[in-house]
Amino acid sequence: DADVTQTPRNRITKTGKRIMLECSQTKGHDRMYWYRQDPGLGLRLIYYSFDVKDINKGEISDGYSVSRQAQAKFSLSLESAIPNQTALYFCATSEVTGTSGIYEQFFGPGTRLTVL
Amino acid sequence: AQSVTQLDSHVSVSEGTPVLLRCNYSSSYSPSLFWYVQHPNKGLQLLLKYTSAATLVKGINGFEAEFKKSETSFHLTKPSAHMSDAAEYFCVVTPSGAGSYQLTFGKGTKLSVIP
Repeated sequence: DADVTQTPRNRITKTGKRIMLECSQTKGHDRMYWYRQDPGLGLRLIYYSFDVKDINKGEISDGYSVSRQAQAKFSLSLESAIPNQTALYFCATSEVTGTSGIYEQFFGPGTRLTVL
Repeated sequence: AQSVTQLDSHVSVSEGTPVLLRCNYSSSYSPSLFWYVQHPNKGLQLLLKYTSAATLVKGINGFEAEFKKSETSFHLTKPSAHMSDAAEYFCVVTPSGAGSYQLTFGKGTKLSVIP
């Protein structure tokens, strides 16, 4: 089974609808992240969470909200979807790697969201 | 502040020939650097990482990258391309230590492998 799972994998919705994307992990990591990927722009950080009670805005948080329901679950919501939120969304998790203090991130398979 | 520039948006090579994907970075801190690969309709997979140990880093599937501080570069290479290498590759920079959750991604280089 995959360590980081995302549901749904694909979603088509209409402008103004509320959408929730879910992420679950079995890696036991404390840190979780939501990114969006747009063609030619790489990945950009939306929100991140260091533990259940610690949630932080990333580079592009406007129009999004998140919920960390448990260590293993981190959901991303679009309260009122708009067409420019059409993108590929990735969830990621991390922990400290070795003695270097580097937080290698592990990515889910992505959710392709289309807002019409 | 940190940034990453992937110098080519698209690279095309013949199967069996060398691969070079170029990455330059800018960082106010001592950086850590990663290369991730994304195959079509898949998530991102870590290829290799530089964390200030050795400047020549070996990764999975025969890929290597060399950290050159004087040139602020972290180019990805492979001696012989395989069809399965066709994918998009992302160079990523992060500060070492406490800020190392702040990944900054390059815009990606799409690698095509011609039979």
